[in-house]
Amino acid sequence: DQQVKQNSPSLSVQEGRISILNCDYTNSMFDYFLWYKKYPAEGPTFLISISSIKDKNEDGRFTVFLNKSAKHLSLHIVPSQPGDSAVYFCAASPNNGNQFYFGTGTSLTVIP
Amino acid sequence: DTGVSQDPRHKITKRGQNVTFRCDPISEHNRLYWYRQTLGQGPEFLTYFQNEAQLEKSRLLSDRFSAERPKGSFSTLEIQRTEQGDSAMYLCASGFDLPQHFGDGTRLSIL
Repeated sequence: DQQVKQNSPSLSVQEGRISILNCDYTNSMFDYFLWYKKYPAEGPTFLISISSIKDKNEDGRFTVFLNKSAKHLSLHIVPSQPGDSAVYFCAASPNNGNQFYFGTGTSLTVIP
Repeated sequence: DTGVSQDPRHKITKRGQNVTFRCDPISEHNRLYWYRQTLGQGPEFLTYFQNEAQLEKSRLLSDRFSAERPKGSFSTLEIQRTEQGDSAMYLCASGFDLPQHFGDGTRLSIL
């Protein structure tokens, strides 16, 4: 069973606009969440994380929002750049990072 | 910049053969993870080491799979009697605390 879900397989955004990638989870025990970016033929690259004691974390153009009651997190990228075109995975851990569950990914295309 | 290193990058083998993959984590990283990724899916957790201790193991990891991290540094993942369904990208990740940093993976193809 998929405990972390990314329901949008793909997203296209104009350069300079905001990209919003969404992720839902089912396990209320998840307490740590991450976003990764992946280019073809490379391993995932860490972007940003958030623990369950926060509802927002910001790092430059990237902001992650966590809504625990809705079991939902989102990644905002603003402004979007063509180099942001990649597959984005969200991941969650129930036990301090001993095990991670990943979503199926959203392919972001930023159009110049 | 010495990131997580995985060897080999590609492995092609016949069904029924044994294969072994190696992962060299970032120096001094105490956490080490193995994942499997198939097309259109996210990485799927296989196992987790803290130093040399294997602390978590997925139910997906059948008894044909075994992983070791003998001295708390590099790790190996062995698959015995490979099957068609083992064809995937095998990813290793390491971290001192969190988050984990991934290698570029070993792609396994079963003929």
